[in-house]
Amino acid sequence: DAGITQSPRHKVTETGTPVTLRCHQTENHRYMYWYRQDPGHGLRLIHYSYGVKDTDKGEVSDGYSVSRSKTEDFLLTLESATSSQTSVYFCAISELSGVDTEAFFGQGTRLTVV
Amino acid sequence: GDSVTQMEGPVTLSEEAFLTINCTYTATGYPSLFWYVQYPGEGLQLLLKATKADDKGSNKGFEATYRKETTSFHLEKGSVQVSDSAVYFCAILSRSNTGKLIFGQGTTLQVKP
Repeated sequence: DAGITQSPRHKVTETGTPVTLRCHQTENHRYMYWYRQDPGHGLRLIHYSYGVKDTDKGEVSDGYSVSRSKTEDFLLTLESATSSQTSVYFCAISELSGVDTEAFFGQGTRLTVV
Repeated sequence: GDSVTQMEGPVTLSEEAFLTINCTYTATGYPSLFWYVQYPGEGLQLLLKATKADDKGSNKGFEATYRKETTSFHLEKGSVQVSDSAVYFCAILSRSNTGKLIFGQGTTLQVKP
């Protein structure tokens, strides 16, 4: 299995509180991503990173920020959680190497905002 | 921008039927293509991939061929089983500097005994 770990795996938080989700990889892959998965919406890209300190917005970035201070960690922060951010969050990593590529997912974090 | 379109689900089949799930994409250049599977309550598992035109990815009886001329990557299986019931996602990974990974909306497959 690819070395990618998300923490926490489950979290319940109150509206208005800040929340940080962590994605940690041991594969030394360049690219990292955060998605949210909601019924009827598939996987939607929140933010992604193409190197240390290099990040960009995805299609649903409002209310979220990210940081990547080292290759192995990609943090997703909800500055002030809202009920609409209740979701399952997935981290993914990928690498492009010559003609080969690979992309793997973490196990997900179930976040409930009450 | 880059995008992926999958056929609408749910797809309901009887056991041993032939499966096709269509996937087409729009992308700059030549992305890598993936199929992922998600079983109920679980994360996404890589099912198969293809990195260049005419490549065929295969795994667990599933196949998909990278068709550059039609920008498609349709998933097929000759004989489905009840255990194949899951959600299937098609994805493209851009070979640009940003390496953006884009998913289709997913297709639910239900296989009945």
